[in-house]
Amino acid sequence: GAVVSQHPSWVICKSGTSVKIECRSLDFQATTMFWYRQFPKQSLMLMATSNEGSKATYEQGVEKDKFLINHASLTLSTLTVTSAHPEDSSFYICSAGNTVDTEAFFGQGTRLTVV
Amino acid sequence: GESVGLHLPTLSVQEGDNSIINCAYSNSASDYFIWYKQESGKGPQFIIDIRSNMDKRQGQRVTVLLNKTVKHLSLQIAATQPGDSAVYFCAENIQYGNKLVFGAGTILRVKS
Repeated sequence: GAVVSQHPSWVICKSGTSVKIECRSLDFQATTMFWYRQFPKQSLMLMATSNEGSKATYEQGVEKDKFLINHASLTLSTLTVTSAHPEDSSFYICSAGNTVDTEAFFGQGTRLTVV
Repeated sequence: GESVGLHLPTLSVQEGDNSIINCAYSNSASDYFIWYKQESGKGPQFIIDIRSNMDKRQGQRVTVLLNKTVKHLSLQIAATQPGDSAVYFCAENIQYGNKLVFGAGTILRVKS
């Protein structure tokens, strides 16, 4: 199967700072990637759809100015959590699909802790 | 809004027994469903999928059943092993390109 890589795996930042998370498709091109957030003992909640070369599409209730998404190439999408606060602490996961397989491929996730 | 599944129950099984994990979905128009396994601190791992034109699909030690009449999915794991301990999610593909809505998940604990 295809490989999706996230970086970093974990990050601790101070309240008020911004954090960037990268999602890369290593062996395929992805015009669309998806960003999910998962709080402890809960399911994955879709945050936004990252579209290569155009604006991201955000789910209802997700602040686009707080969660900046950039999909500048066919293999890289970035999620920047701006002015992070402790309530933004969560597990962030990206996914992408190639044009051959039907299934979505997930990154290993990024654990964000805001202190 | 759309939702798949309503609970986060825990299923405890003895090693070697069969496990059945259930999931309800709400969008009757969905035509593709996937089961994922998630271990602590990791991203979801694909287990098996099924399209709406099928009611059963088998993999290695796993079987997925789809009942479109009652909008229900189940995952059967044969001869459950300690390595199967994880959280299992069903997911519904709501858009071409793998936009997924996840169920609440089920914790599977395998007792040795």
